[in-house]
Amino acid sequence: DGGITQSPKYLFRKEGQNVTLSCEQNLNHDAMYWYRQDPGQGLRLIYYSQIVNDFQKGDIAEGYSVSREKKESFPLTVTSAQKNPTAFYLCASSENENTGELFFGEGSRLTVL
Amino acid sequence: AQKVTQAQTEISVVEKEDVTLDCVYETRDTTYYLFWYKQPPSGELVFLIRRNSFDEQNEISGRYSWNFQKSTSSFNFTITASQVVDSAVYFCALSEAFGNEKLTFGTGTRLTIIP
Repeated sequence: DGGITQSPKYLFRKEGQNVTLSCEQNLNHDAMYWYRQDPGQGLRLIYYSQIVNDFQKGDIAEGYSVSREKKESFPLTVTSAQKNPTAFYLCASSENENTGELFFGEGSRLTVL
Repeated sequence: AQKVTQAQTEISVVEKEDVTLDCVYETRDTTYYLFWYKQPPSGELVFLIRRNSFDEQNEISGRYSWNFQKSTSSFNFTITASQVVDSAVYFCALSEAFGNEKLTFGTGTRLTIIP
């Protein structure tokens, strides 16, 4: 079945460690996105990529990094510079950057101990 | 700047009741797009509807209906004859221009349907 796969579903890390969240899609979508969701808040855009080998910062990119070496993959690294990394992270894709219809993965919940 | 307000943090209704989720938005643009997404317990958001600012017709899809009123800057979502499977967090979102990176989400309304 086509869709977006995020892994791991749950992740624990110690302070000062970097961690990478995986996002893979087999929908042949050009655009991919990373969002952060905190309790009682809406989704906030971290990074997005409209094409392979290109990506742009979203509203809260500080402390995060991404790469887009393949169309189907858009991994997110939460670095030790991110001051409050405990959150639910959602990856999404869309056919192009303008449709407004995003397809989401099931998310990765990161907890910093 | 654009803003989306979902004042209802949590709503609980008994199964088969109708329920309306409110969404109020702010934008300076005359052209914009409004969306509703559903987030079930599994975590992924599911697209429900997109509406552009020039189309104020109400839309109905099965038990779901949407009421778009520019005069009150609202885009409310009604579920008729609610079912337990409707339990989820619902997000309203706004884009002032074409471009998914410009989506602004509301804080969501958690809907619980009591059997």
